[in-house]
Amino acid sequence: SQQGEEDPQALSIQEGENATMNCSYKTSINNLQWYRQNSGRGLVHLILIRSNEREKHSGRLRVTLDTSKKSSSLLITASRAADTASYFCATGSNNDMRFGAGTRLTVKP
Amino acid sequence: DTAVSQTPKYLVTQMGNDKSIKCEQNLGHDTMYWYKQDSKKFLKIMFSYNNKELIINETVPNRFSPKSPDKAHLNLHINSLELGDSAVYFCASSQRGGGSGNTIYFGEGSWLTVV
Repeated sequence: SQQGEEDPQALSIQEGENATMNCSYKTSINNLQWYRQNSGRGLVHLILIRSNEREKHSGRLRVTLDTSKKSSSLLITASRAADTASYFCATGSNNDMRFGAGTRLTVKP
Repeated sequence: DTAVSQTPKYLVTQMGNDKSIKCEQNLGHDTMYWYKQDSKKFLKIMFSYNNKELIINETVPNRFSPKSPDKAHLNLHINSLELGDSAVYFCASSQRGGGSGNTIYFGEGSWLTVV
């Protein structure tokens, strides 16, 4: 069964704007991870947030986690054209990590 | 050095054929995965192995048979290919399970087209 579901499916913004993507999941988690996929490439890990954390930062990335709502958000600040990619959240247990269909972000120069 | 490498990158084959995709990781990880990404970009887990032992088999048709000769390799063999098997197949690995907070490292994908 699918675990993470990203929203929106697609997002188009201008360079310099902020981009917010959301992830909802269904069961209890130990951690939630965000990944990025450039067109035609494999996924690359961006950031992990544990269930006892509410917010985490890494460079221009800010991730929040609300376990009561079973949701997470990924904020990319001051976006760049190079941020154009698909972004996935992943949750699961041990060897069973599940992804959704991702949010396709387009950053226009 | 490529951490997770899979071959071939592109594969075009006819319906009914049998094909294999090979995957190797040089990260010393215990856990390896196969994921399928469809045309809508949905990434679905197919199998996961831990130390050569099958852990997850996610209602995948019997035509798909993973083989793990050692913990650095996880190959995917597909029998009697069907049009619906056309997708991108990703091999991945992690140290123990990703659900334990470990990063999953992905290969570059194998584009399978069945005609």
